[in-house]
Amino acid sequence: EVQLQESGPGLVKPSQSLSLTCSVTGYSITSNYWGWIRKFPGNKMEWMGYISYSGSTSYNPSLKSRISITRDTSKNQFFLQLNSVTTEDTATYYCARLEQLYLPFDYWGQGVMVTVSS
Amino acid sequence: DVQMTQSPYNLAASPGESVSINCKASKSISKYLAWYQQKPGKANKLLIYDGSTLQSGIPSRFSGSGSGTDFTLTIRSLEPEDFGLYYCQQHNEYPPTFGAGTKLELK
Repeated sequence: EVQLQESGPGLVKPSQSLSLTCSVTGYSITSNYWGWIRKFPGNKMEWMGYISYSGSTSYNPSLKSRISITRDTSKNQFFLQLNSVTTEDTATYYCARLEQLYLPFDYWGQGVMVTVSS
Repeated sequence: DVQMTQSPYNLAASPGESVSINCKASKSISKYLAWYQQKPGKANKLLIYDGSTLQSGIPSRFSGSGSGTDFTLTIRSLEPEDFGLYYCQQHNEYPPTFGAGTKLELK
């Protein structure tokens, strides 16, 4: 069974970078698409971006200048980096799998809460 | 981006009852709508995609309908484990966008 687990710091200072890891077991990240989604306080959900089986990426235009998604295929992990964070980036961050590009996310991690505060 | 308007925001029901949650897209998304269940400490669960296709392993008391701009998730004969947060998401175009969520609570 595909399992995803997010990890990373729960507290980040404003203007710094947020870095999260998604560890995948039961399936290779060299297949399909692997994405990041976040849920803000108040429950609004936002798709942030994905990295494909080949390593290509696509990002939400609202974040394009601040976001980077990379991967380490030897560890079966992919990563989120969000630069120049503000308090508005406080959210629960989820990683998830897309079997195909225009399908929904079929496997999700449990999420990691990140607070941006000084 | 496609805006997704989900209603109601809160819904209270008792086990055994049936409930419906609605989702309206700001433009046609054909049939490409998904529904998720979210519960604290658990991974989000994909319930339905393509508007009405039940994801493998999801009980048949969950059903989806609609096309174009208007969609409905119906849960028949609520079980205690069905209470939680439900989201719709369009998967017709990028960026994928979500509704605001519906909290289904025990009456």
